[in-house]
Amino acid sequence: RKEVEQDPGPFNVPEGATVAFNCTYSNSASQSFFWYRQDCRKEPKLLMSVYSSGNEDGRFTAQLNRASQYISLLIRDSKLSDSATYLCAVNTGNQFYFGTGTSLTVIP
Amino acid sequence: EAQVTQNPRYLITVTGKKLTVTCSQNMNHEYMSWYRQDPGLGLRQIYYSMNVEVTDKGDVPEGYKVSRKEKRNFPLILESPSPNQTSLYFCASSLNGVSYNEQFFGPGTRLTVL
Repeated sequence: RKEVEQDPGPFNVPEGATVAFNCTYSNSASQSFFWYRQDCRKEPKLLMSVYSSGNEDGRFTAQLNRASQYISLLIRDSKLSDSATYLCAVNTGNQFYFGTGTSLTVIP
Repeated sequence: EAQVTQNPRYLITVTGKKLTVTCSQNMNHEYMSWYRQDPGLGLRQIYYSMNVEVTDKGDVPEGYKVSRKEKRNFPLILESPSPNQTSLYFCASSLNGVSYNEQFFGPGTRLTVL
């Protein structure tokens, strides 16, 4: 069983739409959780960490549900510049596990 | 500028010819890691290092070696590359390997093994 499962998409949404991504993780001992953004085979860059209390950064909201073992990312008011691949990541015992990434294209 | 550097950025080689991909960070990070990224498989951790002289296997260590003799450097060694090691490789570093420390990634090395 994969440590982290993520819907690969693609998601094609119009500008201004709200879009949500989910990831599930298999190890209940996982300690920390992240969303990374990756543009066109460039290096991943941290978008936001995901805390138990949930956190928000502008148009982006991340949530963690430990009971159901999933993390989510909500993007409101999508911009063209949001087009990218979004990777979830989980830290379990000093190792990092990434989802396969979800491709998002925001259409004018 | 705080960064992770990798060299070379692109490499085409032949089966069995030993190669090393270098990785260096200037942020005094303790934790360093190597990943490979393949279509449909995502980023998979090859090896990681919690600190100098401490290295551990990640998810896909077969066919790779690493060393951590200095804090800033973490080279990836392919003793006898094979075509199934054709991939995009990323080095990353973070303050440490626990809690919510951000991982900073290098620009990637695109390796083709013929």
